[in-house]
Amino acid sequence: ETGVTQSPTHLIKTRGQQVTLRCSSQSGHNTVSWYQQALGQGPQFIFQYYREEENGRGNFPPRFSGLQFPNYSSELNVNALELDDSALYLCASSPRGDGYTFGSGTRLTVV
Amino acid sequence: AQKVTQAQTEISVVEKEDVTLDCVYETRDTTYYLFWYKQPPSGELVFLIRRNSFDEQNEISGRYSWNFQKSTSSFNFTITASQVVDSAVYFCALSEESWGKFQFGAGTQVVVTP
Repeated sequence: ETGVTQSPTHLIKTRGQQVTLRCSSQSGHNTVSWYQQALGQGPQFIFQYYREEENGRGNFPPRFSGLQFPNYSSELNVNALELDDSALYLCASSPRGDGYTFGSGTRLTVV
Repeated sequence: AQKVTQAQTEISVVEKEDVTLDCVYETRDTTYYLFWYKQPPSGELVFLIRRNSFDEQNEISGRYSWNFQKSTSSFNFTITASQVVDSAVYFCALSEESWGKFQFGAGTQVVVTP
């Protein structure tokens, strides 16, 4: 059983809308990373948060933003959705310096 | 820039056959970390192994083994005596940090049939 829970599991949005994806990590996991995995491809690093501050970002536009909360939960927000944003979004958390645990992801479909 | 190449898109084997997954990487860093993850149909990535750039020892864990060759920038993964439960997508990944900010390859789909 994974210690990282993502919600919702599936989501359908319309182009131009905004979406918030959520991730709940285990206690003590003060590092969280988000990845985008398009169909048939490997996950792409979006950004990482450490103790509620952004700590590295991949090649994604500013309309991808995130938040990390003191209770070890986090959010990924995407504004002005595009069709190419359709993907599996994975959250991974770590107690800094130790292994990452991945969630099962949120499947986002933009129509 | 870092890059990970998994040239094999899909490998199909019959149960009990061995299967080797290739991974070639590119990095300018002298210190880096290599990983293998398994992604079953449920979607989560399951950690299999981590190896740092200074440790070229091969490793065996049950039916899994890994061959790290710095000279050819390769980190290959072999499943011995494959089983149906090994069917999944396998990803090789590279990171400049001990954990996190992974650069993943495109993945190799392994299909094991009875």
